[in-house]
Amino acid sequence: DSGVTQTPKHLITATGQRVTLRCSPRSGDLSVYWYQQSLDQGLQFLIQYYNGEERAKGNILERFSAQQFPDLHSELNLSSLELGDSALYFCASSVDPGRNYGYTFGSGTRLTVV
Amino acid sequence: DQQVKQNSPSLSVQEGRISILNCDYTNSMFDYFLWYKKYPAEGPTFLISISSIKDKNEDGRFTVFLNKSAKHLSLHIVPSQPGDSAVYFCAASAEGNTPLVFGKGTRLSVIA
Repeated sequence: DSGVTQTPKHLITATGQRVTLRCSPRSGDLSVYWYQQSLDQGLQFLIQYYNGEERAKGNILERFSAQQFPDLHSELNLSSLELGDSALYFCASSVDPGRNYGYTFGSGTRLTVV
Repeated sequence: DQQVKQNSPSLSVQEGRISILNCDYTNSMFDYFLWYKKYPAEGPTFLISISSIKDKNEDGRFTVFLNKSAKHLSLHIVPSQPGDSAVYFCAASAEGNTPLVFGKGTRLSVIA
């Protein structure tokens, strides 16, 4: 157990629907990062939050949004889902947002859009 | 445009021999590099890192080498063990608050 909890582990939904992925960071970590891993692709950075504030944005689609709550858990909202959104979505957390000593990853949420 | 490239999708090595995984990067602002290991159905786990002020970092069986002029780093695993079979991701970060940029990964198979 890495200490980063992601729920649900698996999600199957239809095109056009909206889903919410949840992440609880490791105790003491203030930064949360979301990554997407599609087939044959590396981990693509989506967005980072630090202590409730958006800190950095990657190639995140406008249909996707995220937030970090006061208890530091984070949610990634995916709407108007398309077949191409099927992927593994990883959440990671770290103590220091300013210098990367390594992230701790959760085990991911596998999203299948049918 | 991929800033971190792992050009070998897979590598097969015999148990006890050396495994060498390679990674190239294009962004000259990167100054911190990490390797992650990923088993099926699990998230990536941090393995070893190196700062650009060094050219080598060692941790047990794992050594990372950095060649800044060539924008190239490699991970050496000696001796390789069957439990090392996993996907290895190279990642890089630029100074400041820049999230890690990952390569596509190399699948290592260590054959007993």
